Amino acid sequence: AQKITQTQPGMFVQEKEAVTLDCTYDTSDPSYGLFWYKQPSSGEMIFLIYQGSYDQQNATEGRYSLNFQKARKSANLVISASQLGDSAMYFCAMREGYGGSQGNLIFGKGTKLSVKP
Amino acid sequence: NAGVTQTPKFQVLKTGQSMTLQCAQDMNHNSMYWYRQDPGMGLRLIYYSASEGTTDKGEVPNGYNVSRLNKREFSLRLESAAPSQTSVYFCASSPYRGSGQPQHFGDGTRLSIL
Repeated sequence: AQKITQTQPGMFVQEKEAVTLDCTYDTSDPSYGLFWYKQPSSGEMIFLIYQGSYDQQNATEGRYSLNFQKARKSANLVISASQLGDSAMYFCAMREGYGGSQGNLIFGKGTKLSVKP
Repeated sequence: NAGVTQTPKFQVLKTGQSMTLQCAQDMNHNSMYWYRQDPGMGLRLIYYSASEGTTDKGEVPNGYNVSRLNKREFSLRLESAAPSQTSVYFCASSPYRGSGQPQHFGDGTRLSIL
């Protein structure tokens, strides 16, 4: 079973509008972390935002916020006021626990976001 | 302001040839990682080094070897390249493996095996 599921292979959004990218995860570990990365067409991986399983509040970083719904095991990325430069692949990733084989990141397959002018 | 540096950026190999991908970080991170990215697959972990002197297999280690040369450098070796190893390879580092600190990635190496 996939640990990280991103159900939207591709999405379009109008410039200046908000967009939500979906991510669901599967773990039985009470301690885990969720990350979002952006990969523009140039290929580099850019860290956007992090949410820990024990964090009480949803994480925010500028125009990025993470809609964390623990009971539903979802960690959706919300981008407000989309810009043309937001066009990229977006990857959700999870780190389970801290020890042994845990502690490594498991990535979803990504969502390609296209921002229309 | 280098962060994680990978060399080379592009490489074409013939089946059966060997090569080493180099990675160095200047952030004094303890943990380093090698991933491969294939179309539609996201990133998959090949090997990681939780700290200097240790290395462990990730999800897809077959056909690869690694060396943690020192705290800064972590290399990935293909002993006998196969077309199935055509991919984009990313090196990453983080302060510690199990922390909430993000992994920082290099720009990737695009490897084609004919």
